[in-house]
Amino acid sequence: ELKVEQNPLFLSMQEGKNYTIYCNYSTTSDRLYWYRQDPGKSLESLFVLLSNGAVKQEGRLMASLDTKARLSTLHITAAVHDLSATYFCAVDAQIQGAQKLVFGQGTRLTINP
Amino acid sequence: DVKVTQSSRYLVKRTGEKVFLECVQDMDHENMFWYRQDPGLGLRLIYFSYDVKMKEKGDIPEGYSVSREKKERFSLILESASTNQTSMYLCASNVPGKEAFFGQGTRLTVV
Repeated sequence: ELKVEQNPLFLSMQEGKNYTIYCNYSTTSDRLYWYRQDPGKSLESLFVLLSNGAVKQEGRLMASLDTKARLSTLHITAAVHDLSATYFCAVDAQIQGAQKLVFGQGTRLTINP
Repeated sequence: DVKVTQSSRYLVKRTGEKVFLECVQDMDHENMFWYRQDPGLGLRLIYFSYDVKMKEKGDIPEGYSVSREKKERFSLILESASTNQTSMYLCASNVPGKEAFFGQGTRLTVV
């Protein structure tokens, strides 16, 4: 069974600081996704990582994928309050030819002024 | 833009009622998913479908069933609602291997 684990689950940080969220998964997959969820809202796609060594950047967020280590990271640079949200990673698992998308528990990020 | 629409934002039902949650997507996606989201547990997959009339159990299918009679529509059915099914329900769709797009969610309360 595919398990996806995020670390940390809660993160409170000050504006201007850097931090990293980790996403580990338990089985072979070369596709990983990062999503953002604001309170009371649905999930919004941030990054799609499709191969080993993939790196994507958007503003102060950068995501990377190491399929050999089964690890993805979401790095936040010089955090600002607007980045406060819950961040989820998700991994594809092929089950009898069908794609099953499995999510981590989410990391609730709070950025304080 | 891809649009995934769930029929209700908020729903209150009584214990034992049969409940239908509807989801429609307009981008001809093959895959559709139903998740429930609970605090501290993230998103848990209930059922998914990779084609019309095809369905696969997710991690927590007990107490739920699904129906996909048309490609654009995926329904989640609670056969006999119970209080432990009070949750946020999220529908998503995608093309295999691509990112999933989510509906706005249905917050279901069973009393």
